[in-house]
Amino acid sequence: GQQVMQIPQYQHVQEGEDFTTYCNSSTTLSNIQWYKQRPGGHPVFLIQLVKSGEVKKQKRLTFQFGEAKKNSSLHITATQTTDVGTYFCAANDYKLSFGAGTTVTVRA
Amino acid sequence: ETGVTQSPTHLIKTRGQQVTLRCSSQSGHNTVSWYQQALGQGPQFIFQYYREEENGRGNFPPRFSGLQFPNYSSELNVNALELDDSALYLCASSRARTDTQYFGPGTRLTVL
Repeated sequence: GQQVMQIPQYQHVQEGEDFTTYCNSSTTLSNIQWYKQRPGGHPVFLIQLVKSGEVKKQKRLTFQFGEAKKNSSLHITATQTTDVGTYFCAANDYKLSFGAGTTVTVRA
Repeated sequence: ETGVTQSPTHLIKTRGQQVTLRCSSQSGHNTVSWYQQALGQGPQFIFQYYREEENGRGNFPPRFSGLQFPNYSSELNVNALELDDSALYLCASSRARTDTQYFGPGTRLTVL
């Protein structure tokens, strides 16, 4: 099955700063999905990217799918305490193959 | 809220016992997928049910089995529990096999 790797594993961010988390695959992906899991919670769907080079924005979150459809990124601007959690990318070919996630903590 | 519900919320079992976890899918969804999430890791795919048939299976032994009912709700059964089975078990429903999956709150299983 498809495998995705995420970096960094942990991201400690000062409130108000920006950060980016990356998702990489050795194979071409049909699509990539992003989920957010709050501490003690369950994964919540954020977005799906399908097209090569696709860029989608949700308020302060910007998602990008690479031209070769082998990588994706999530960029968050002006980080807030509500951004705390673990962000997962997942390849979807009927089953979701999740990366290990990037766990984000925010310093106020 | 996704409309996907799971029961029970928490469960404590001992090694060798059997457990059944339940999931009600979101209205209009005919596909249910089950995932195991160990502490600090991403969810791992167990299997998927589509219209009451198993549609695919991850790298889990046969003691992990499931069912889907005519109303598209689903059960995950685990026999001969092992300590490593301690995890958060998530079900996710979707409108179709490859459609976006929406997760329930999960069942936290502890095996002692």
